[in-house]
Amino acid sequence: QVQLVQSGVDVKKPGASVKVSCKASGYSFSSHGISWVRQAPGEGLEWMGRITTYNGDTNYAQKFQGRVTMTTDTSASTVYMEMRSLRSDDTAMYYCARETELEVLFLDFWGQGTLVTVSS
Amino acid sequence: DIQMTQSPSSLSASVGDRVTITCRASQGISRFLAWYQHKPGEAPKSLIFATSSLQSGVPSRFSGSRSGTDFTLTISSLQPEDFATYYCQQYNTYPITFGQGTRLEIK
Repeated sequence: QVQLVQSGVDVKKPGASVKVSCKASGYSFSSHGISWVRQAPGEGLEWMGRITTYNGDTNYAQKFQGRVTMTTDTSASTVYMEMRSLRSDDTAMYYCARETELEVLFLDFWGQGTLVTVSS
Repeated sequence: DIQMTQSPSSLSASVGDRVTITCRASQGISRFLAWYQHKPGEAPKSLIFATSSLQSGVPSRFSGSRSGTDFTLTISSLQPEDFATYYCQQYNTYPITFGQGTRLEIK
């Protein structure tokens, strides 16, 4: 079965960086892109960007351009999302989600989420 | 960016009720509209893609429709497990954008 397993809870200080991983299993990894979506406490869902897993091409929401980098390791079926210069308002649950082959950017399976807390 | 305006923001209903949630896009997005269900402490779950196509395994009491830039999610007969927050999402144009969510609560 399709599974996306994310790395665990992380606590960072303002100005630091965080790298969240998303390991895929149960399907052909390179056939599906991965998007990252976050949810701040009490807020809705916010799309951060996406990566094409077979060649590493990325598209970022303008808000995160220059501060977020998404990478892929096809040998490990894993996608990474790194965010730099963390601020307190980056405290959120971060989700990776698989895109379908035919309806690209429709997110059919989601990881369990990684809570990132930014606090001094 | 395309704005997705979802209404209502919250809704109280009873088991067995028929419920409708609406999402309006700020510009045309063709059929590229999806709906997700999100429960606290869980990963979001996909329900509907391409306006009205049911994701595999989703009960048939869920349905979606479109009129121009207005999209609707209907739950024909609410079940206890349906109480959650629902989000619409457009995926016609970068960046992907979500509605602000509709919290469906038990009356």
